Amino acid sequence: DAGVIQSPRHEVTEMGQEVTLRCKPISGHDYLFWYRQTMMRGLELLIYFNNNVPIDDSGMPEDRFSAKMPNASFSTLKIQPSEPRDSAVYFCASSLALGQISAYEQYFGPGTRLTVT
Amino acid sequence: GQQLNQSPQSMFIQEGEDVSMNCTSSSIFNTWLWYKQDPGEGPVLLIALYKAGELTSNGRLTAQFGITRKDSFLNISASIPSDVGIYFCAGQLVGTASKLTFGTGTRLQVTL
Repeated sequence: DAGVIQSPRHEVTEMGQEVTLRCKPISGHDYLFWYRQTMMRGLELLIYFNNNVPIDDSGMPEDRFSAKMPNASFSTLKIQPSEPRDSAVYFCASSLALGQISAYEQYFGPGTRLTVT
Repeated sequence: GQQLNQSPQSMFIQEGEDVSMNCTSSSIFNTWLWYKQDPGEGPVLLIALYKAGELTSNGRLTAQFGITRKDSFLNISASIPSDVGIYFCAGQLVGTASKLTFGTGTRLQVTL
């Protein structure tokens, strides 16, 4: 069974450009999470969805960041305009619904390494 | 925000040695998980713990959910070179639904 899929794996862009990161969660998972990882701040939760609905976006750093989940098998994280301080590895993770034994087990994708010059 | 204190931050050990690391907090957690991250990859789930006092093994890895529900421990027995990586603890804090709080990580390096 395929795990969480993210694309692209690497993205290099210039400051001011729009960046779109993509994620396909594990089939049957109801929760989808977007994280950002940096050396300074570690792993930070940006936003998460339940059944395609955003539940908590308190971790989204600024209005330049937006996320959507148009259906159960696809989500995007967009940064517009991008800035050098956005350079980080962005991870998508998914998990089962609450109430199930392994509900809190989040499975991560391979990440997208974003470099903004 | 809530933090998980993970220690040690890094450790160098020789192949064959046992390894211990832990994660502590001032708050109570319902669930503890341990992940390993290799360079250039996403964190991979190793062990999940759901009850206070629970001891669970996965091969050479053993983890425990602390009785106070404020800590967790991970042990690796007879380490091998492929154990190299960063180990993260994560916990589901009471009242935070499906969100996880992650520790700062323990970087493990194994020498031959």
